[in-house]
Amino acid sequence: AQSVTQLGSHVSVSEGALVLLRCNYSSSVPPYLFWYVQYPNQGLQLLLKYTSAATLVKGINGFEAEFKKSETSFHLTKPSAHMSDAAEYFCAVTGGTSGTYKYIFGTGTRLKVLA
Amino acid sequence: DVKVTQSSRYLVKRTGEKVFLECVQDMDHENMFWYRQDPGLGLRLIYFSYDVKMKEKGDIPEGYSVSREKKERFSLILESASTNQTSMYLCASSSGTGGYGYTFGSGTRLTVV
Repeated sequence: AQSVTQLGSHVSVSEGALVLLRCNYSSSVPPYLFWYVQYPNQGLQLLLKYTSAATLVKGINGFEAEFKKSETSFHLTKPSAHMSDAAEYFCAVTGGTSGTYKYIFGTGTRLKVLA
Repeated sequence: DVKVTQSSRYLVKRTGEKVFLECVQDMDHENMFWYRQDPGLGLRLIYFSYDVKMKEKGDIPEGYSVSREKKERFSLILESASTNQTSMYLCASSSGTGGYGYTFGSGTRLTVV
């Protein structure tokens, strides 16, 4: 079965520091991979997605993620954290054995940005 | 922009009540989904639908049912609300399969007392 693991339920960074949020997936076939962001009391917003084109994917708000098949990873990065980046981030996978209608979500990583 | 609208942001219901959560999307998406979100558990799929009058169980369908009579509307029904159904409920829609991505509503925070 497909699965997604997000390492670290809480991550704290200083303003201006590198943001790195980790996501590893398991899939027997090439997947589609996504990062979503959720601000307090809101729904999820798509940050970026990998759909088998370029392995380095750029998203909104300066975020990017790199698909590494050999490591089954899709980590999210941003060179310089801003206070407004404080939110919860979810990695998701679809495709392969779970069918392509359903997405499997990770348990989320809450990002805190320190002034 | 695609919009997914959930009828209520906050809802308080009593144990045993029948509860309806409504979701409407305005971009003619084929697929619609209901998730519940709980701290530490992420998003868990309750039900989804890939066409009008079609529905499929997700990972945690017990205690829930759904209705999709029109393409744009997908309703989640709690037949007899219980306190363990207190949660954030998120509706999403998508076009086609695979790489399109979901569009989410703002969520309904349901409290069952």
